[in-house]
Amino acid sequence: EDQVTQSPEALRLQEGESSSLNCSYTVSGLRGLFWYRQDPGKGPEFLFTLYSAGEEKEKERLKATLTKKESFLHITAPKPEDSATYLCAVLDWGKFQFGAGTQVVVTP
Amino acid sequence: EAQVTQNPRYLITVTGKKLTVTCSQNMNHEYMSWYRQDPGLGLRQIYYSMNVEVTDKGDVPEGYKVSRKEKRNFPLILESPSPNQTSLYFCASRTGTGGYGYTFGSGTRLTVV
Repeated sequence: EDQVTQSPEALRLQEGESSSLNCSYTVSGLRGLFWYRQDPGKGPEFLFTLYSAGEEKEKERLKATLTKKESFLHITAPKPEDSATYLCAVLDWGKFQFGAGTQVVVTP
Repeated sequence: EAQVTQNPRYLITVTGKKLTVTCSQNMNHEYMSWYRQDPGLGLRQIYYSMNVEVTDKGDVPEGYKVSRKEKRNFPLILESPSPNQTSLYFCASRTGTGGYGYTFGSGTRLTVV
């Protein structure tokens, strides 16, 4: 069965303490892997799309990477405003599946 | 501005009273989808549509109906709401060409009492 698993479920960081979130997937034909940021009570906001193993994308303090079985979202020197839930999703042939998310809290 | 607009943002209703949550997108996207989000359960797909007059069930379709008569609109209908449908609902749309992701609306918080 196709699955998308994110870890850890929650992450508490000090401001400036870099860390990584993991998204592992088992799908038959990956057409894209997506990272979203979601603030409480709001709709997920698109961050990155990755299409093939080895690909990397960056935006400010965030960097996403992709291998054949997993993706990492690296947060470098986070600030309190990076606090949010980060969701990954995969698109295979016809189906779009979300992971459960990683809740990140960055304290000053 | 490219966006997905859903209304209302907040809704409190009583058990059994039919309601409709509207969703509209201005990006000419083929795919539209409804999700519900509950604490600890993540985003779960209710229904999706691949184009006008083409809809299919997602993971949790029971108690919901949808229609896609126009490309831009995809309303969610609860014919007889129950308290277990209290949730945060999101509409989303995406293009059908290429591996592009969904653009989400701002959400509708529904409470059924």
